[in-house]
Amino acid sequence: AQSVTQLGSHVSVSEGALVLLRCNYSSSVPPYLFWYVQYPNQGLQLLLKYTTGATLVKGINGFEAEFKKSETSFHLTKPSAHMSDAAEYFCAVSGNAGGTSYGKLTFGQGTILTVHP
Amino acid sequence: DADVTQTPRNRITKTGKRIMLECSQTKGHDRMYWYRQDPGLGLRLIYYSFDVKDINKGEISDGYSVSRQAQAKFSLSLESAIPNQTALYFCATSQPGTSYGYTFGSGTRLTVV
Repeated sequence: AQSVTQLGSHVSVSEGALVLLRCNYSSSVPPYLFWYVQYPNQGLQLLLKYTTGATLVKGINGFEAEFKKSETSFHLTKPSAHMSDAAEYFCAVSGNAGGTSYGKLTFGQGTILTVHP
Repeated sequence: DADVTQTPRNRITKTGKRIMLECSQTKGHDRMYWYRQDPGLGLRLIYYSFDVKDINKGEISDGYSVSRQAQAKFSLSLESAIPNQTALYFCATSQPGTSYGYTFGSGTRLTVV
């Protein structure tokens, strides 16, 4: 079984401030972890992913996330927010090779990021 | 053309009506999925298919059915629509042996009145 909890359904930051979106996961097998972004009236776009290897992963638009197994976390950060970052962000987990969760994504509830001028 | 195309983009239907949402893909992916998105609940898996002959229920399959007509086509049906099926529906594809990121369609906004 797998699950994802995103802490904070709404996060508001000022332009230029640090963005931190929190994600904790539960998985019975080593996970693959993902962050997706959804702009208004659009589908989901992959920001970044962790599968194996380096635990700090870099994605598009200056975002990065760090996989911390001991904390079962995969928080998303960006050093300096831009107005164009305003969107909804989803963390998701999938089981790695083998097991019933293999290939199926389980999503968190989503975090709406607002960026103020 | 988009890699994953969903039709229609928007639909309003009446309670009790049968409705089909269609999804087609040009990615050549074996795996296809249907999710629904509700505010505050994220995306929840309705059905998924790992190949043409493989159909599996997701966490919220009650009231829905699917058909995998070909590798590229995966349709979702609501046999008798009810208002709490009002949601944004997404089709997605993925391919084993890759990093398992999904490719999503643009979504179908369904309203049941």
